[in-house]
Amino acid sequence: DAGITQSPRHKVTETGTPVTLRCHQTENHRYMYWYRQDPGHGLRLIHYSYGVKDTDKGEVSDGYSVSRSKTEDFLLTLESATSSQTSVYFCAINRGSNSYEQYFGPGTRLTVT
Amino acid sequence: RKEVEQDPGPFNVPEGATVAFNCTYSNSASQSFFWYRQDCRKEPKLLMSVYSSGNEDGRFTAQLNRASQYISLLIRDSKLSDSATYLCVVTGNAGNMLTFGGGTRLMVKP
Repeated sequence: DAGITQSPRHKVTETGTPVTLRCHQTENHRYMYWYRQDPGHGLRLIHYSYGVKDTDKGEVSDGYSVSRSKTEDFLLTLESATSSQTSVYFCAINRGSNSYEQYFGPGTRLTVT
Repeated sequence: RKEVEQDPGPFNVPEGATVAFNCTYSNSASQSFFWYRQDCRKEPKLLMSVYSSGNEDGRFTAQLNRASQYISLLIRDSKLSDSATYLCVVTGNAGNMLTFGGGTRLMVKP
């Protein structure tokens, strides 16, 4: 158990509404990541964080913003959800200590109608 | 060309069979390599890291060929519970960034 939770686990929302997904870790790791997973594309990095208030873009960042005001929480916001953002979103942490292994939360299934 | 390429399968094998998956990667600067396992509608879970000398964990053996930029995973004595999608993962130029292959689906039949 990597000590990562995600909320909500499932969400259905309408096009144009804002949505915030939360990732919470209990182990005070520095690096946290948001991915999306879609059929035919595999896992793609949206944004990542390397510390409180330190974030950077990943491969598919357009339409998404993130915030990290506390070590334990990494928030992903869709400012105005679109149907193309229907996906499964995974949060991950890296435990450091000279290892690049990442450990994933259980995921959030988001449907934008 | 995708950065990490895998045969999507599915590989359908009987219980007890030996099955091998391959993966190629394009970034010659990649330093760390992993296999993850993902069950249907679940999160990916680390199966094993892949070392230059090759490594084994029970029924699972991973090999790395840096010259050919090729990674393999061998599963011996397949169990029904091995049915899953196996993801090949490599680090990018920055070690803390991972690139995932699309996955190979394995189905083990009784």
